[in-house]
Amino acid sequence: DGGITQSPKYLFRKEGQNVTLSCEQNLNHDAMYWYRQDPGQGLRLIYYSQIVNDFQKGDIAEGYSVSREKKESFPLTVTSAQKNPTAFYLCASSGSTTNTEAFFGQGTRLTVV
Amino acid sequence: DQQVKQNSPSLSVQEGRISILNCDYTNSMFDYFLWYKKYPAEGPTFLISISSIKDKNEDGRFTVFLNKSAKHLSLHIVPSQPGDSAVYFCAASMRGADGLTFGKGTHLIIQP
Repeated sequence: DGGITQSPKYLFRKEGQNVTLSCEQNLNHDAMYWYRQDPGQGLRLIYYSQIVNDFQKGDIAEGYSVSREKKESFPLTVTSAQKNPTAFYLCASSGSTTNTEAFFGQGTRLTVV
Repeated sequence: DQQVKQNSPSLSVQEGRISILNCDYTNSMFDYFLWYKKYPAEGPTFLISISSIKDKNEDGRFTVFLNKSAKHLSLHIVPSQPGDSAVYFCAASMRGADGLTFGKGTHLIIQP
C-alpha cells in the first residue's frame, strides 16, 4: 500500500546529542514536510522540500537540519542546538502540481532525558 | 478502519455564502479536534481547533461546532472568499496519546 512512514514511534535522546527521525514515502510525491506539534498547539512547519536536493526553512528551523538525497526520503535531524526538542514530530508529503491530497505519517514522539 | 471521516471529497460554494465542512469520528476517546487547510503544492496549515469541553469555537470567519453525542464536528466559513478554496482536513487526538488521526480531506471550491 502507498503511504508515508515515520520511524521510530518513540525516541529518547540525551541532552547534547543529535538524533535523526526517519520519514519515507512511496507515493511518488515531490513535496515533503516536517512539522512539530506541542501540546495545545497546531502544527508548526520546520522544513520542507519541493524537490530532490532542495529544501527550505519553515517557521521554526533553528536547531534542525534536513536532507533530501532521494525522492522517497526526508530525514530530520534534531541537533543539540535545539533548546526545547521534546515534542511530537509529524512528516507529510504531497504532490507538487495540482494534486491537493496530503498524506501524513503517524508521527514520532521525541523525549529528551 | 477510518476513525475520522470526511464523507464529502469536494464541496462547491458561491462566494459570499456560508461553507460548511463536516467531519465524523468513531472513537469516543478523542477529546481534541483540529482543522487544517492545504493549498496545492503546500503543506497543511493549522486553522482552528476545539476541545471536547466546548461545543463551539470561533475565530474570525471560521467557527467549529462539536456535537459529542453525534460524534460530529463541522467547520463553518462565513462569508466564503476565493482564497478559501483549498483542501480542508479534520483531525482528532486523545489525551495521553500521541498523534493526530486525520480525515481524507474535503476540497472546497469557492465560485465567483
